[in-house]
Amino acid sequence: AQSVTQLGSHVSVSEGALVLLRCNYSSSVPPYLFWYVQYPNQGLQLLLKYTSAATLVKGINGFEAEFKKSETSFHLTKPSAHMSDAAEYFCAVRGGSQGNLIFGKGTKLSVKP
Amino acid sequence: GAVVSQHPSRVICKSGTSVKIECRSLDFQATTMFWYRQFPKQSLMLMATSNEGSKATYEQGVEKDKFLINHASLTLSTLTVTSAHPEDSSFYICSANGREGPSSVYGYTFGSGTRLTVV
Repeated sequence: AQSVTQLGSHVSVSEGALVLLRCNYSSSVPPYLFWYVQYPNQGLQLLLKYTSAATLVKGINGFEAEFKKSETSFHLTKPSAHMSDAAEYFCAVRGGSQGNLIFGKGTKLSVKP
Repeated sequence: GAVVSQHPSRVICKSGTSVKIECRSLDFQATTMFWYRQFPKQSLMLMATSNEGSKATYEQGVEKDKFLINHASLTLSTLTVTSAHPEDSSFYICSANGREGPSSVYGYTFGSGTRLTVV
């Protein structure tokens, strides 16, 4: 069965610092992997996704993620954090019995001025 | 890009009444709609999956008679919470896939969510 594990329920960085949010996956088939961002009381906005094309995926708002099969990882990075990046981030893998996404527990990103 | 419009964004209802939540795909045909529930500070849990024109498939533990899902057209899916009780208070989010498949730009597009409060 497919699953994802997000390491760190809460990450705090200073404005302008590197953002690194960790996600490891487990999948018996080539995975489709996703990163979403959620602001309070809002739905999920897609940041980027990996669907077996380029292993370095560039997304919106300066985020990118690298698919590393050997490490079963799909970590999300951004070179320079902005205050507006403060939100909850979810990593997900396609893998439910209905073709649905299976989500990690989420990582709350705080950005200090 | 792909847009799924979800309404209402917030609803407060009295215990025992029913509430309908709508999700519309605005610029693509949603062949599959996923309905999730999210408890405070937690992740999303799949409740049910519906395909246009067929009955929804519910996840284990989800009462199909309480959470009625209708996916009568390729652009509209509804979730009706029947005889709502305070324990049904939660954040409900829909997600749609288009016929182009999950890897397309229309794959796994989420609505903006509905905050349901039952008093």
